[in-house]
Amino acid sequence: QVQLVESGGGVVQPGTSLRLSCAASGFTFSNYAMHWVRQAPGKGLEWVAIISSDGSEKHYAGSVKGRFTISRDNSKNTLFLQMISLGAGDTALYYCARDKVVINPIYFFDFWGQGTPVTVSS
Amino acid sequence: DIQMTQSPSTLSASVGDRVSIACRASQTIYTYLAWYQQKPGKAPKLLIYKASSLENGVPSRFSGSGSGTEFTLSISSLQPDDFATYYCQQYNSFSTFGGGTKVEIK
Repeated sequence: QVQLVESGGGVVQPGTSLRLSCAASGFTFSNYAMHWVRQAPGKGLEWVAIISSDGSEKHYAGSVKGRFTISRDNSKNTLFLQMISLGAGDTALYYCARDKVVINPIYFFDFWGQGTPVTVSS
Repeated sequence: DIQMTQSPSTLSASVGDRVSIACRASQTIYTYLAWYQQKPGKAPKLLIYKASSLENGVPSRFSGSGSGTEFTLSISSLQPDDFATYYCQQYNSFSTFGGGTKVEIK
């Protein structure tokens, strides 16, 4: 069955960096675009970034553009999110999610991980 | 950016009730709309996409309607498992979620 397992979250100080990972299994990872979505404590959902199935195309939400970098390693079935210059507004549970459609992304998500928490605090 | 507005933010209902949740887009999104259910401590679950298409395995008491800027998620007969928070999401232009509607026990 499809599984997405995030890791790498933690408590960090403002201005620092963090790299999240998402290990995928149960499907052909290289066939699907992948996304990061975050949820601040007690708040709603915010789409963060997408990477195409082959990694050639990436798009970001305005709130993270220039600070976050999405990447993937299809040989290891793993998705990444490199985050720099973190601020309090980045505190959230970060989910990786699979695009519903094979190859050509459509930007909605049929499988989600359980999330990894990121807390930015001094 | 496309803004998504859900109403109400909280809905109190009883088992067996028919409930409806509204979602409005700040500009037309045609039928590029999905609905998700989220329970406390869990990841969201896809219920409906393309405004009215039911995801595999989702009970038929859930239905979606609408196009353009106005959309509705309906639950025909609320079950105990349905008490949760529901989010709409546009995917006409990247992705934006609504603020959520919490369905609670009356």
